[in-house]
Amino acid sequence: AQKVTQAQTEISVVEKEDVTLDCVYETRDTTYYLFWYKQPPSGELVFLIRRNSFDEQNEISGRYSWNFQKSTSSFNFTITASQVVDSAVYFCALRARAHSGAGSYQLTFGKGTKLSVIP
Amino acid sequence: DSGVTQTPKHLITATGQRVTLRCSPRSGDLSVYWYQQSLDQGLQFLIQYYNGEERAKGNILERFSAQQFPDLHSELNLSSLELGDSALYFCASSALTGSYEQYFGPGTRLTVT
Repeated sequence: AQKVTQAQTEISVVEKEDVTLDCVYETRDTTYYLFWYKQPPSGELVFLIRRNSFDEQNEISGRYSWNFQKSTSSFNFTITASQVVDSAVYFCALRARAHSGAGSYQLTFGKGTKLSVIP
Repeated sequence: DSGVTQTPKHLITATGQRVTLRCSPRSGDLSVYWYQQSLDQGLQFLIQYYNGEERAKGNILERFSAQQFPDLHSELNLSSLELGDSALYFCASSALTGSYEQYFGPGTRLTVT
């Protein structure tokens, strides 16, 4: 079974603070993909990053960075110098085999972490 | 803007009714996915279509069905609606059959009264 755990339900930080969102996953697949999505108050889901299981290099994109550690099955997301516009629910997701459909995959989402950045 | 469109944006209906949600994928994407987001269940995968054919099923109720048409747009049909079906329904599309990055539409908020 595939599982994604985001233990932090809600986080509040003051603007300009750094914040790390945790994601721990479980899968028996040796090849898999991990994703982060952002859901702002407007409701749409915005793709942020994809990482495959063979690439453990950390990635930085502006104020965002991701730390993938296969040894601990974690894919954490850090926002540096947070801004009010970062306030959103952030979802971690795992590409996993679907319940049905040979060779088909589905995204299994964590429950999300609601980040509030206070001015 | 992801390029995925969904209509309607909001839908209010009564229990026992049937509704159809519509989705147009990004240009060139052959795969369409449907998800349900509710407060208690979170984001749940419902079903996937690839180039008109059903490819994978998740936690989709028997009262729900979907299809993908030759022009690649997809419809999700929800029937015998219950209060618990109130949720945000997302459509997503991707270029490949696998779950490489999926691009999500703005969602349809369904309220069953």
